[in-house]
Amino acid sequence: SQTIHQWPATLVQPVGSPLSLECTVEGTSNPNLYWYRQAAGRGLQLLFYSVGIGQISSEVPQNLSASRPQDRQFILSSKKLLLSDSGFYLCAWSDPGGRWYEQYFGPGTRLTVT
Amino acid sequence: GENVEQHPSTLSVQEGDSAVIKCTYSDSASNYFPWYKQELGKRPQLIIDIRSNVGEKKDQRIAVTLNKTAKHFSLHITETQPEDSAVYFCAAGFNSGGSNYKLTFGKGTLLTVNP
Repeated sequence: SQTIHQWPATLVQPVGSPLSLECTVEGTSNPNLYWYRQAAGRGLQLLFYSVGIGQISSEVPQNLSASRPQDRQFILSSKKLLLSDSGFYLCAWSDPGGRWYEQYFGPGTRLTVT
Repeated sequence: GENVEQHPSTLSVQEGDSAVIKCTYSDSASNYFPWYKQELGKRPQLIIDIRSNVGEKKDQRIAVTLNKTAKHFSLHITETQPEDSAVYFCAAGFNSGGSNYKLTFGKGTLLTVNP
């Protein structure tokens, strides 16, 4: 069966520091991968998605970037964090060959920028 | 790009009553309309979906309707139970067999079912 991992679960970082959040998927090949930010338990805002290695679509201009160095690995990064980057970050995957609209979410990372 | 509006933002009902959540979308190309449920402290999960060639779909106590002309779709929950309490998200997207696999989500509806 497929599983999705995210780490770390929580993170407290000072303003101006770099960020790296990692997401990995097991049990599937060539998944679509997504990064979302969820504000206050609501509002799933799509940040990036990827349909293959090295292929990244950016949805919201901001202080963040994403990379997909391996088929089942998706990384969210920032060179210098802002206070406004605080939030709950969710990674998700879907099967492009089937029910692509059924996205499976990871456990999330709670980021606090101080 | 696609814009999805969802109403109401909060909804409180008595156990046994029905609940209706409504969404509108802007892109007429959208042809997939899934609904996700997120219980407190848990991940969003798909509960039902409807495609543009279907006007209504039911799964036990849950039904979804779609009006493509008006660009709106709705989630109906009948005989609500306390375990239906959660945040519900509607979403819209399209896929033409190419590389677009993006969903645009509504802002969510917090449903509370009071026993």
